[in-house]
Amino acid sequence: DAGVTQSPTHLIKTRGQHVTLRCSPISGHKSVSWYQQVLGQGPQFIFQYYEKEERGRGNFPDRFSARQFPNYSSELNVNALLLGDSALYLCASWRTSTDTQYFGPGTRLTVL
Amino acid sequence: DQQVKQNSPSLSVQEGRISILNCDYTNSMFDYFLWYKKYPAEGPTFLISISSIKDKNEDGRFTVFLNKSAKHLSLHIVPSQPGDSAVYFCAASAGDDKIIFGKGTRLHILP
Repeated sequence: DAGVTQSPTHLIKTRGQHVTLRCSPISGHKSVSWYQQVLGQGPQFIFQYYEKEERGRGNFPDRFSARQFPNYSSELNVNALLLGDSALYLCASWRTSTDTQYFGPGTRLTVL
Repeated sequence: DQQVKQNSPSLSVQEGRISILNCDYTNSMFDYFLWYKKYPAEGPTFLISISSIKDKNEDGRFTVFLNKSAKHLSLHIVPSQPGDSAVYFCAASAGDDKIIFGKGTRLHILP
């Protein structure tokens, strides 16, 4: 089985632009979470989706939004990019709340 | 306010010896604790977990110990191998699928 996949792997944007990051969960997994990892820190929770509904949101501004599609894939959108948004964005998927979360390789976003 | 703390940014251990990585937490609502390992250019990989109803969980070379009264957990790796060199993240959740991570400890296994 393929693991969690994310696209693109790397992305360079300028301040003020918009970005969309994509995630495909492991087959059969209905939950997806997004995390932001800045250099030297651990991953920080952004959003959790289960069955296409938002189940949790971390302490991030409204510039960050996400959605989950009927096939359980997910998009993370960030508007009005700031330099501080430069980070590795990780997606994780799992079947139910008793399962382990499996992470994708991440998308490295650089904002210039 | 950091709820999960890994106070050692790095640790060096001789190959074959025991590696002990430590983690402290502040939120008494946490009931599930995890350790993840991360190599460069990869996402975190789940290693081992422990529920708050237990004080020890073992999986091969990896053992996690939980001391609830001290709000402390540790990961023991024995014997340490070169492939164990990575960043290790301690993480916790309060039953809501939201995982709170520490900053990580970089483990170097020396030949």
